[in-house]
Amino acid sequence: AQSVTQPDIHITVSEGASLELRCNYSYGATPYLFWYVQSPGQGLQLLLKYFSGDTLVQGIKGFEAEFKRSQSSFNLRKPSVHWSDAAEYFCAVGADSGNTPLVFGKGTRLSVIA
Amino acid sequence: EPEVTQTPSHQVTQMGQEVILRCVPISNHLYFYWYRQILGQKVEFLVSFYNNEISEKSEIFDDQFSVERPDGSNFTLKIRSTKLEDSAMYFCASRVLLGGELFFGEGSRLTVL
Repeated sequence: AQSVTQPDIHITVSEGASLELRCNYSYGATPYLFWYVQSPGQGLQLLLKYFSGDTLVQGIKGFEAEFKRSQSSFNLRKPSVHWSDAAEYFCAVGADSGNTPLVFGKGTRLSVIA
Repeated sequence: EPEVTQTPSHQVTQMGQEVILRCVPISNHLYFYWYRQILGQKVEFLVSFYNNEISEKSEIFDDQFSVERPDGSNFTLKIRSTKLEDSAMYFCASRVLLGGELFFGEGSRLTVL
């Protein structure tokens, strides 16, 4: 069965510092991979997705993620964090076809300090 | 920009009461979903719905839960007799294509006392 592991429950970074949030997945077929962000009291907003092709994908708000099949990873990065990036970040995996639902990781909470 | 809307944003209910959570998916979307997130835990799949029937459901989605699309625009989740452990944020989502981007609503927080 598919699963997603986000090993870091909570990360704190200084504003302007770089960020990397880790995500490892287990999936038998070709995965579709997603990163969502959830601000307090808000819904889930898609940051970026990987379906195929270039393994480095660009998303909104200056985020990017790199798919590494050999490591079953899809880590999210941002070169310079802004205070407004403080939120909960969820990695998710889905099938490459069909209506298979997304499976989410437990999330990583990002705090940004001045 | 089109969005998925959910009502109510927060509902408090007594254990054993029925609750209906409402969602208006994006108008040209064909696939609809309910997810839930218990406080501090991950987002979990409940059910998917296509062509006026359930296409997949998780083990969480037991006989106490039901979904319907009564009028071609709303997509509802009903919990027949709520339990304390049903307290969670419930997210509705929709997409136009299989494998396409899933758009989420802002969620309905259910508190069962």
